[in-house]
Amino acid sequence: ETGVTQTPRHLVMGMTNKKSLKCEQHLGHNAMYWYKQSAKKPLELMFVYSLEERVENNSVPSRFSPECPNSSHLFLHLHTLQPEDSALYLCASSPSRAWDYGYTFGSGTRLTVV
Amino acid sequence: GIQVEQSPPDLILQEGANSTLRCNFSDSVNNLQWFHQNPWGQLINLFYIPSGTKQNGRLSATTVATERYSLLYISSSQTTDSGVYFCAVRIGSNFGNEKLTFGTGTRLTIIP
Repeated sequence: ETGVTQTPRHLVMGMTNKKSLKCEQHLGHNAMYWYKQSAKKPLELMFVYSLEERVENNSVPSRFSPECPNSSHLFLHLHTLQPEDSALYLCASSPSRAWDYGYTFGSGTRLTVV
Repeated sequence: GIQVEQSPPDLILQEGANSTLRCNFSDSVNNLQWFHQNPWGQLINLFYIPSGTKQNGRLSATTVATERYSLLYISSSQTTDSGVYFCAVRIGSNFGNEKLTFGTGTRLTIIP
């Protein structure tokens, strides 16, 4: 375990469903991130939260809705997804001064939209 | 934005062989990390190395920031080394600007 826990590990959902991905870290980090990894593509940054405030939204469609209730928890709420949204969704955390340390990633949620 | 290129894209080696993976980046960076993604998708942080050389067992890494490249060395490869190796860089030094940009990765396969 890396200290960043993601649940569920696998998720299959229909296009009309609503589901949420959860990320939890107990490393004392102040920044949390959602990344998307699709087949044959580099990891894409989706959202950045620093001290529970969203500081970056990389033109992500509104069917993805992040929530950061505190510095230890990060959610990604999903609704009316498309099949092309099927991917591995990775959560990461870092100290607020990330350049002194680095990122820690969770194991990911493998999402399949049918 | 910054470009991160990794080579080779694929590498197949016999167990026990040594390998060198390369990461080139197009702009000055203040953070560079090497990750190993195992077959189950987990990204494991190998090195945080914005400059200089570090070693951890059979793995070592060198970053020459002035020439904008980093190398990851794997010696005496084992089958458990198989997976995808990513280089990721960060630019910017402002609080709240901590995003990493990833390369496309090198897929390493170690054959017994």
